[in-house]
Amino acid sequence: QSVLTQPPSVSGAPGQRVTISCTGSSSNIGTGYDVHWYQQLPGTAPKLLIYDTNNRPSGVPDRFSGSKSGTSASLAISGLQAEDEADYYCQSYDSSLSAWVFGGGTKLTVL
Amino acid sequence: QVQLQESGPGLVKPSETLSLICTVSGGSMNGYYWSWIRQPPGKGLEWLGYIYYSGSITYNPSLKSRVTILVDTSKNQFSLKVNSVTAADTAVYYCARVGHTSGWYASYWGQGTLVTVSS
Repeated sequence: QSVLTQPPSVSGAPGQRVTISCTGSSSNIGTGYDVHWYQQLPGTAPKLLIYDTNNRPSGVPDRFSGSKSGTSASLAISGLQAEDEADYYCQSYDSSLSAWVFGGGTKLTVL
Repeated sequence: QVQLQESGPGLVKPSETLSLICTVSGGSMNGYYWSWIRQPPGKGLEWLGYIYYSGSITYNPSLKSRVTILVDTSKNQFSLKVNSVTAADTAVYYCARVGHTSGWYASYWGQGTLVTVSS
């Protein structure tokens, strides 16, 4: 059972916009800790997609964006492309556990 | 651009010690934190801990008693040991460079290495 809760799967057609939620608690996201997102393409290592809730590393398209409100965060992907099909993970810090914590991951399927 | 490469045995017997090395290339280790993260087959990610280039370490408390992370900047390497392993330690192990701006996160990842615990 992951500390951060993500939907197991989401899907969308090419060109559409999808969002992936990441729900935490008062000891992590709700306290104000930043949320980070990773993209894991099939058979590869995770790659940093969004850091500090809404910042994109160099080279990440602006189709990807992040936001946070209360004890939850979201990753939005607009203009969906076939190459976006991957697993997505959120990550934050939990003060009760004194540890980095991850969501269980969400599999994005492009229809 | 910095690159990381994990190396070590792919098979470890139960109750023995898992040992991995991460070799860093394309940049200095100085000034950065370096982390280990694992992923059991078909499952999510678990953070094991990180080490500063100078040797200061922070472990995940849930694994602290079994995990040791060390750094050797002269070789541009850092290492991971997990003792008393069981089948639950079977996973792909990733090394990563830590980004630290407002939050802390894994900014660059190695390709990962699968370690299977089995007799």
